[in-house]
Amino acid sequence: ELKVEQNPLFLSMQEGKNYTIYCNYSTTSDRLYWYRQDPGKSLESLFVLLSNGAVKQEGRLMASLDTKARLSTLHITAAVHDLSATYFCAVVQSYNTDKLIFGTGTRLQVFP
Amino acid sequence: NAGVMQNPRHLVRRRGQEARLRCSPMKGHSHVYWYRQLPEEGLKFMVYLQKENIIDESGMPKERFSAEFPKEGPSILRIQQVVRGDSAAYFCASSPTTGGGTEAFFGQGTRLTVV
Repeated sequence: ELKVEQNPLFLSMQEGKNYTIYCNYSTTSDRLYWYRQDPGKSLESLFVLLSNGAVKQEGRLMASLDTKARLSTLHITAAVHDLSATYFCAVVQSYNTDKLIFGTGTRLQVFP
Repeated sequence: NAGVMQNPRHLVRRRGQEARLRCSPMKGHSHVYWYRQLPEEGLKFMVYLQKENIIDESGMPKERFSAEFPKEGPSILRIQQVVRGDSAAYFCASSPTTGGGTEAFFGQGTRLTVV
């Protein structure tokens, strides 16, 4: 059974600082997603990572994937308040489906 | 091309009543997934449907919950005799096919409150 773990669960960081969120998963998968969720809102797709060594960047966020280690990271550079949200990673259960197994989420709070 | 449409956005039900949640997939999408998000938790898979077929219902509670995706019209998630523990946000996602790098797109969710 595929399990997805994220850490940390909570992250309080000062503006301008860097930090990394980690996502480990237990079995082989061909796709990994990162989502952002603001309170009371739906999911916003940030990145989809398809292959080993994939790296994608958008603004202050950069995501990478190591399929051998079954590990993805979401790196935050020079955090700003607008990045405050909950971030989820999600892994596809198997190749012939889009069924997602979600991590527990990381609640990020950026303060001045 | 409208996105995935869910309604209602908010639903309040008394204990013992029925809740019906609707999901209209994006145009051209024939695969629908339902997820539940309890307060302060991540999303949990419930059921995967294609038109007129339930493909995977491994995440559905054994009792009171059912889902359908008819040939015409939206997908429906039905919860009978709701209890307080059913209070959650219910999201659906749709995709055009399965696998091969396709991506499922999420609706805005229905927030169910049982009083």
